[in-house]
Amino acid sequence: DTAVSQTPKYLVTQMGNDKSIKCEQNLGHDTMYWYKQDSKKFLKIMFSYNNKELIINETVPNRFSPKSPDKAHLNLHINSLELGDSAVYFCASSQDRGFQYFGAGTRLSVL
Amino acid sequence: DQQVKQNSPSLSVQEGRISILNCDYTNSMFDYFLWYKKYPAEGPTFLISISSIKDKNEDGRFTVFLNKSAKHLSLHIVPSQPGDSAVYFCAASLLGGSQGNLIFGKGTKLSVKP
Repeated sequence: DTAVSQTPKYLVTQMGNDKSIKCEQNLGHDTMYWYKQDSKKFLKIMFSYNNKELIINETVPNRFSPKSPDKAHLNLHINSLELGDSAVYFCASSQDRGFQYFGAGTRLSVL
Repeated sequence: DQQVKQNSPSLSVQEGRISILNCDYTNSMFDYFLWYKKYPAEGPTFLISISSIKDKNEDGRFTVFLNKSAKHLSLHIVPSQPGDSAVYFCAASLLGGSQGNLIFGKGTKLSVKP
């Protein structure tokens, strides 16, 4: 029973398209996150979100937007995809500060 | 601007010996440090953590040491096992940081040879 699940696992798409990655957690956590792991292997925070507040990393382009239909879900929408968006995207959740559970990742390839 | 640095991209150790993974940080305001382990095609999994008020935390075969004056922490695995082969990420959290956002190092790939 996966704690944090992301779909799809792989996503291949053309430049300019709009795509979404879904994330669900069944841990009852109140905070969820999106991270990007780029080609240099750095894991960087993109967003953190709980039912009160969305914190956006200022380096994230506004083509990226998180959407949370409820506490257990935080989906990532990306508009007008660019080549540089190719990366592995990880969703995570936590209850206590700092101790985060990660999903398996979504490998996005923009052609 | 890397606030958390793992200068060794890879480490190879014989089974049964000690593995020592190192991590340096630049921001003295970090108050919480974590190690995550990552297998291929999986997400990082939490391994062990340490608060800045401590200098050592031990959990089974895993021990994390924190040297605040040197802004350095290390993860010791003893004895190392082939199943420990993975990428290890060091992460730090900032006091008052929003929602506990973690700042990760680039990772060190550990290979434990039978």
